[in-house]
Amino acid sequence: DTGVSQDPRHKITKRGQNVTFRCDPISEHNRLYWYRQTLGQGPEFLTYFQNEAQLEKSRLLSDRFSAERPKGSFSTLEIQRTEQGDSAMYLCASSLLEDRRNEQFFGPGTRLTVL
Amino acid sequence: KNQVEQSPQSLIILEGKNCTLQCNYTVSPFSNLRWYKQDTGRGPVSLTIMTFSENTKSNGRYTATLDADTKQSSLHITASQLSDSASYICVVRAGGYNKLIFGAGTRLAVHP
Repeated sequence: DTGVSQDPRHKITKRGQNVTFRCDPISEHNRLYWYRQTLGQGPEFLTYFQNEAQLEKSRLLSDRFSAERPKGSFSTLEIQRTEQGDSAMYLCASSLLEDRRNEQFFGPGTRLTVL
Repeated sequence: KNQVEQSPQSLIILEGKNCTLQCNYTVSPFSNLRWYKQDTGRGPVSLTIMTFSENTKSNGRYTATLDADTKQSSLHITASQLSDSASYICVVRAGGYNKLIFGAGTRLAVHP
């Protein structure tokens, strides 16, 4: 257990529905990252926050995706009008701004299945 | 283009045997390289982080090497155990950036 938690662990939804995932980082970590991982591949960067500010977004993050970190602690990732291609593991990670190595600690992930 | 390539894609070994996983990267400028272990259905867990000046780093039965000149890294697992069955992912951080570049991983299966 790295100290990063994600909820839910699994989500099955029908195409066209909206889903929201939550990530709780290690409490003192000011940076928070979202990644997407498909079967047999490494994680792909989606977006990251420094405190409550969203500093970078990948081109993978279409306009159906939105992420927030309103109080600089937990974060949510919402996918609107889900498509079958959204089926993946969504991973959250956190790190300390002061850590020059930028070591990131990952949560257990949320596995999304879109039917 | 920044890329991380790993080999082999998958590997099966018998319990107690050693194995070596390979990672080649074309990331510039280089900041550090990490190896993560990812159990099926779980998030990745860090094994080692190596900077430019570090050639070898150990974590128990795991030993990582880094050759920054040839841009290659390896992860050696000694006296494998059934619990070593997992995907091992090589990850490189480009200098000045906070996002990481992941390899596709090597899926290791340790059989009794």
